[in-house]
Amino acid sequence: SYELTQPLSVSVALGQTARITCGGNNIGSKNVHWYQQKPGQAPVLVIYRDSNRPSGIPERFSGSNSGNTATLTISRAQAGDEADYYCQVWDNNTVFGGGTKLTVL
Amino acid sequence: EVQLVESGGGLVQPGGSLRLSCAASGFTFSSYWMHWVRQAPGKGLVWVSRINSYGGNTNYADSVKGRFTISRDNAKNTLYLQMNSLRAADTAVYYCARERSGYEWWGQGTLVTVSS
Repeated sequence: SYELTQPLSVSVALGQTARITCGGNNIGSKNVHWYQQKPGQAPVLVIYRDSNRPSGIPERFSGSNSGNTATLTISRAQAGDEADYYCQVWDNNTVFGGGTKLTVL
Repeated sequence: EVQLVESGGGLVQPGGSLRLSCAASGFTFSSYWMHWVRQAPGKGLVWVSRINSYGGNTNYADSVKGRFTISRDNAKNTLYLQMNSLRAADTAVYYCARERSGYEWWGQGTLVTVSS
């Protein structure tokens, strides 16, 4: 079965740029979606189909996908961006990455 | 406004059954594939099942195949998950989610605890 690999944690200084990776075999050929989940809340879609932002998601959130790695980039990180982030693809069924905890220092 | 509201969770003994419901409003429910996703305490997201817009096509994760049944009633704008032969490993918050490009909308989740 298809697997997605994310780092367990990423730290970023306030106002700097955070990059969260999602690795998978030839993931560049798939549509990757990204979710933000804050404690006690349901996930929220922040990037769909690799690089598209739903309405209401700040432009600071962007995505890319090529080769074996997809990346979620959060520019000018804010304290409110602290959350768990999950990547997701469809490969016969939905597959989620294990999640990355983003800490804003 | 799009809303998904899950209900039906609770405490159940191993081997028992529960039926979860997800009431949808604010959109044309019959136009969308719907999914169930679960999250064990302190763990990540895990896909459980999906159903197409008319209910004629369903898929399941291997871990629940043969025990869980997804269904929908488009006249009532409601999604269901019938869970049988429950195990401790099924303990989780269960979310329903609307799919288009990714999971655009999620419910608040309902907690299922399987324990004796």
